[in-house]
Amino acid sequence: DADVTQTPRNRITKTGKRIMLECSQTKGHDRMYWYRQDPGLGLRLIYYSFDVKDINKGEISDGYSVSRQAQAKFSLSLESAIPNQTALYFCATSDSGGSYNEQFFGPGTRLTVL
Amino acid sequence: KQEVTQIPAALSVPEGENLVLNCSFTDSAIYNLQWFRQDPGKGLTSLLLIQSSQREQTSGRLNASLDKSSGRSTLYIAASQPGDSATYLCAVRRTGTALIFGKGTTLSVSS
Repeated sequence: DADVTQTPRNRITKTGKRIMLECSQTKGHDRMYWYRQDPGLGLRLIYYSFDVKDINKGEISDGYSVSRQAQAKFSLSLESAIPNQTALYFCATSDSGGSYNEQFFGPGTRLTVL
Repeated sequence: KQEVTQIPAALSVPEGENLVLNCSFTDSAIYNLQWFRQDPGKGLTSLLLIQSSQREQTSGRLNASLDKSSGRSTLYIAASQPGDSATYLCAVRRTGTALIFGKGTTLSVSS
């Protein structure tokens, strides 16, 4: 079984809809991250959480919100989706007490906003 | 603001060649540097992680070096194979923050 899972894997939605992307991990890591990947722009950080009560904005947080429901779960929400939020979204985890905080990534969610 | 650059953006080589991928970063105050592999439409697989105090790390045919003072890292792939075809991403991290990624080098190895 995968250590970091993301649901859904693919999603097509319409402008203005609210959508939630979910991430779960069984690695026991305390830190979790959300990134988006766009062609030509690379991966950019949206939000990160160093523990359940610690949420931090990343480089491109506008239009997004997150919830850390438990140590193992970190959700990303788009309150009112817009077409330029079409991208590949990745969740990642790391262990602050582990091997130099190496990050491990989920398989990604491909989101299309029409 | 930390910026990470990877050159070249794309590289095509015949099978069996040794090759070097380059990564440079503007702020030398990094905690570690991580190299990833990404297959088309897939997630990222961590290849090597180098701590700021280390000079290099090796895993099989891969060797990554780090020169923090000059803001450079290289990923050396020995005896390339078609299965090595993928996009290779370099990312750096400062203490207490998340990764900053380069845009990647897309490698194509022909048989």
